[in-house]
Order: sequence, then C-alpha cells, then structure tokens
Amino acid sequence: SAVISQKPSRDICQRGTSLTIQCQVDSQVTMMFWYRQQPGQSLTLIATANQGSEATYESGFVIDKFPISRPNLTFSTLTVSNMSPEDSSIYLCSGKHTNNEQFFGPGTRLTVL
Amino acid sequence: GEDVEQSLFLSVREGDSSVINCTYTDSSSTYLYWYKQEPGAGLQLLTYIFSNMDMKQDQRLTVLLNKKDKHLSLRIADTQTGDSAIYFCAEERGSARQLTFGSGTQLTVLP
Repeated sequence: SAVISQKPSRDICQRGTSLTIQCQVDSQVTMMFWYRQQPGQSLTLIATANQGSEATYESGFVIDKFPISRPNLTFSTLTVSNMSPEDSSIYLCSGKHTNNEQFFGPGTRLTVL
Repeated sequence: GEDVEQSLFLSVREGDSSVINCTYTDSSSTYLYWYKQEPGAGLQLLTYIFSNMDMKQDQRLTVLLNKKDKHLSLRIADTQTGDSAIYFCAEERGSARQLTFGSGTQLTVLP
C-alpha cells in the first residue's frame, strides 16, 4: 500500500484568494489524480496530474481555475484560484500503483467565505 | 459519477450480513473498487476486483461481479458498529484509468 499525505488538512479562505494544496506519496506511483468531493456528495475527478507536462482536465474543469503541477513521481500540487464559496469542498489526491491499487490522501477540507 | 449507481442507505443489525449493491455502465472497465469513508475522514481502499473474476474474498468481505449485468456487490459478514460508514463503488475507465464513483451507500449498523 501507499501512504499519501496532503497539506493543509483544512483551511478557511476569503473569496478571491488562491490556495495551493500539496500531495506527497511515500512511493513512486504511475498516475496521480485530483478529485473534489462537495458536501454530502460523491467524488468527481478534476484532472490527471501528468509528470513533467500539463495536466489532463475533465469536462467542467479548466487549467486557469485549477492549475496542477507534478514535478516528479511522488509529488503534486493543486491550486484553487480566485476562490468563491462554491469552491468549498474536500479536495483529495490519489495515487495509482502498477498493481492497480489506487490510494487516496486524507483530503483537504476547504471553506471559502 | 451518475453512470455508477448505488442505493443511498442501508441499515442492518449488528452481527448480520450487509450487502451493498452497485451497477456500472462501462463494459470495458478493467478494475472495480470498493472504498469506505468514515465521517470526516478520507477514503480507505477496502478491496478491488479484476473484471475477469466473478468473486473475491478477503476476510469478512466478499465481492461478487456479474459482468453480463454490470452488477457489483460487497458483502460484509458479521457486520459490526465500526462498519458504519459510507461505501463507494468505483469503476476504472479511460486512458488514464481514472475512477468514476457511485453516489455512495450510507451503511448504518444498529445494535
């Protein structure tokens, strides 16, 4: 199994500001993903974080709003830009091993006022 | 996530078996997963099954896969109060093998 950590674990932010969430995996993974879980909802994929190249975004998510970096096989960041209250969610990163197990970080609970 | 469907709620008595059902749509899915989420916590990977299998057992957990009907189930034997949580099924699809999640089933275990 893999251990995935995220920082910060939670934050309260003002409208119009940006927050960068860090995700660290304790072992190399083939794929890393970012998901959003809105209150009381299921998980929705935001993007696939590609090492050394631009992330692949799902429909409804754009790079200007959610820029993502993945400089190596174990680390990725997600920025939530120009935040509004509708961005209040839990943001989770996940990593997928070559054995197809996909693990999740504990999530970052974001509240935008 | 609407392509993967689960019932929203399930209540069982402590000691009984729980069966959580899931239907999916993509016949090309290679792996199907079950995750558990406790209040305020992240997702814990419980088990997963490869699409060419029809059953997988891991201690109290049994996964059944009916590929023809695109139906997946998770059976928890001897359900305990600590099993109370939301259970998500997820199918793996797409070029990056990303996960598409169901809505989650809230399992409540009654004493």
